[in-house]
Amino acid sequence: GAGVSQSPRYKVAKRGQDVALRCDPISGHVSLFWYQQALGQGPEFLTYFQNEAQLDKSGLPSDRFFAERPEGSVSTLKIQRTQQEDSAVYLCASSVSGGANTEAFFGQGTRLTVV
Amino acid sequence: GENVEQHPSTLSVQEGDSAVIKCTYSDSASNYFPWYKQELGKRPQLIIDIRSNVGEKKDQRIAVTLNKTAKHFSLHITETQPEDSAVYFCAARASGNTPLVFGKGTRLSVIA
Repeated sequence: GAGVSQSPRYKVAKRGQDVALRCDPISGHVSLFWYQQALGQGPEFLTYFQNEAQLDKSGLPSDRFFAERPEGSVSTLKIQRTQQEDSAVYLCASSVSGGANTEAFFGQGTRLTVV
Repeated sequence: GENVEQHPSTLSVQEGDSAVIKCTYSDSASNYFPWYKQELGKRPQLIIDIRSNVGEKKDQRIAVTLNKTAKHFSLHITETQPEDSAVYFCAARASGNTPLVFGKGTRLSVIA
């Protein structure tokens, strides 16, 4: 595709509901990042994949958050038993290589609202 | 892990004036420093980046400077225009095994 694609764009979940957010990175991109962006804040790191390997998940706020990238392309961020504090925009980014100094391209994000 | 501090959090300038946003980082191993612009409701987009072997980089009205000794880097926008109004984020990254860590952002308003 032309860019990083995320779906859905908007999600409203009732408290306690499970949600799954999808990220389609740019084809061939090795690295994939998930970030959480609260209103008026910078993107906060959640987790990072190189191909199918999850190299860092230190930013996941609780064990209710789980991410996978089983075939090294599409990634899913799952949040179980959603809470109001999970309301945020979830951004996915990908970069072409695993090197540190390659540009990360962002998707438009999924705005999650937990009611 | 890496910690990035960004100042100021808000900045208002008159059209045509310059704007400067400053960031500091904590991990001396960091060697990649991108700047992103995010307009309301849109995705962050890279506007300029600098690598640790370069002290300054320019792209038309935008420039970034890096001081590795002091562990700080700055974004300079000259001849500001209303369309420069957005939130700007700095970031830092040490290696391919570490994530890109962002500052909290600067909301720039350019007043016509």
